[in-house]
Amino acid sequence: GQQLNQSPQSMFIQEGEDVSMNCTSSSIFNTWLWYKQDPGEGPVLLIALYKAGELTSNGRLTAQFGITRKDSFLNISASIPSDVGIYFCAGTTGNTGKLIFGQGTTLQVKP
Amino acid sequence: KAGVTQTPRYLIKTRGQQVTLSCSPISGHRSVSWYQQTPGQGLQFLFEYFSETQRNKGNFPGRFSGRQFSNSRSEMNVSTLELGDSALYLCASSLNPGALNTGELFFGEGSRLTVL
Repeated sequence: GQQLNQSPQSMFIQEGEDVSMNCTSSSIFNTWLWYKQDPGEGPVLLIALYKAGELTSNGRLTAQFGITRKDSFLNISASIPSDVGIYFCAGTTGNTGKLIFGQGTTLQVKP
Repeated sequence: KAGVTQTPRYLIKTRGQQVTLSCSPISGHRSVSWYQQTPGQGLQFLFEYFSETQRNKGNFPGRFSGRQFSNSRSEMNVSTLELGDSALYLCASSLNPGALNTGELFFGEGSRLTVL
C-alpha cells in the first residue's frame, strides 16, 4: 500500500537553529498536511497544502507541496523550546481520501 | 467548542481479554477515524465511520472492530487482546468523510492501552 517515508527520524538541535524535515512517497498525493504531537496529546494540524508547488507559512513554520506531488517539506525557523514534539507528515491519495501518516520526526530543542 | 473526547484515557488489560474504547467527536463533526500509534509503527489507520457506516478500513485483523452511533459518537473494540495491541489509540473527527475530507483531522488525547 501507499507509504510515506519521513526523515529524519529524530533531531536534537540548539535553540535558535532552523529545522528542516521532509516526506517522500512513490505515490502521488492529493493533499499534504503537517501535524505536531506534544507529549501526552493527540496530533494537531499545523499546515495543510492542497496544490502542487504550494508554499504556505504559519508563523515560523513553512511547508511546501512538491511539484511532483510525491513529496513535501516542513521548515521551522529560529526554533524555541516549545517546538519540542513529534512532527508527522500526512497525505490523502486516491478516491477514498484516506489519510496516511509518515513515521514522524521527533524534535528536541536544547535551550 | 469542546474538542474530541476519548475515554478511558488509560487502561490495563491481560491477554485474551477484550476492550472497548469510546470517542465523542467535536459537535457537528460527522466523520470519526481511529488510529493506532506505536513507537515503531507510527500512526496506523484503523477505520473511518460516517453516518453510522464504515467507509474505510485499514489493514488490521478482524479482532479490531468499530461502530458509530446516530449522534456520531464512536466506539472501537479489540477482542482477544495480544501483547502487540499495546498502543495509544487515537480518535479523530472531521466535518466530512473520505474523498470530501481535506485531511484536516481533529484528534483526541487518545486512550493508552497496555496489555499484560
